[in-house]
Amino acid sequence: GAVVSQHPSRVICKSGTSVKIECRSLDFQATTMFWYRQFPKQSLMLMATSNEGSKATYEQGVEKDKFLINHASLTLSTLTVTSAHPEDSSFYICSGGGRNTEAFFGQGTRLTVV
Amino acid sequence: DAKTTQPTSMDCAEGRAANLPCNHSTISGNEYVYWYRQIHSQGPQYIIHGLKNNETNEMASLIITEDRKSSTLILPHATLRDTAVYYCIVRAGNTGFQKLVFGTGTRLLVSP
Repeated sequence: GAVVSQHPSRVICKSGTSVKIECRSLDFQATTMFWYRQFPKQSLMLMATSNEGSKATYEQGVEKDKFLINHASLTLSTLTVTSAHPEDSSFYICSGGGRNTEAFFGQGTRLTVV
Repeated sequence: DAKTTQPTSMDCAEGRAANLPCNHSTISGNEYVYWYRQIHSQGPQYIIHGLKNNETNEMASLIITEDRKSSTLILPHATLRDTAVYYCIVRAGNTGFQKLVFGTGTRLLVSP
């Protein structure tokens, strides 16, 4: 299947700083990618839809100014958590896929804000 | 997308078949049943999907009832590495982009 590579796998940052997470499609072009967040012992929650060359679409309750998404190319989407706080500590996961195919997920990024 | 109902957890002995049920009684005619699993601290992994016919691949089999209101994922010979949370997701197959709505899933524990 297609490969989605996500980096970093783990990051620890200080409260108030920003963290960038990268999501790359390695063997397909992804016009759309999705970003999810998962808290311990909970399911994945969709945060936003990343669209190549245009603005991201955010789910209700997700602050677009806090979670900046950039999708400047067909193989790269980035999520930047700005002014991170301890409550932003979570497991962030991206996914992508071709039209009408199954979705492929990155390995996830464990963010810890201290 | 239609909602699904799955048992919270299941146990299975290593080497035995694991049968994971999923109810999707409000499924529409153009909606597919997808199964993903998530091993601890990893991204979800695609397993299998189907519309109305039973499907089989190298990982699992998917049995969909004739009325399409429920399905069962079968892992024919479960191994310890199959311990994971299994998600049953129903979504329209004719939409272009893979937005998935995850429920709570079934936590499968495979024991020696």
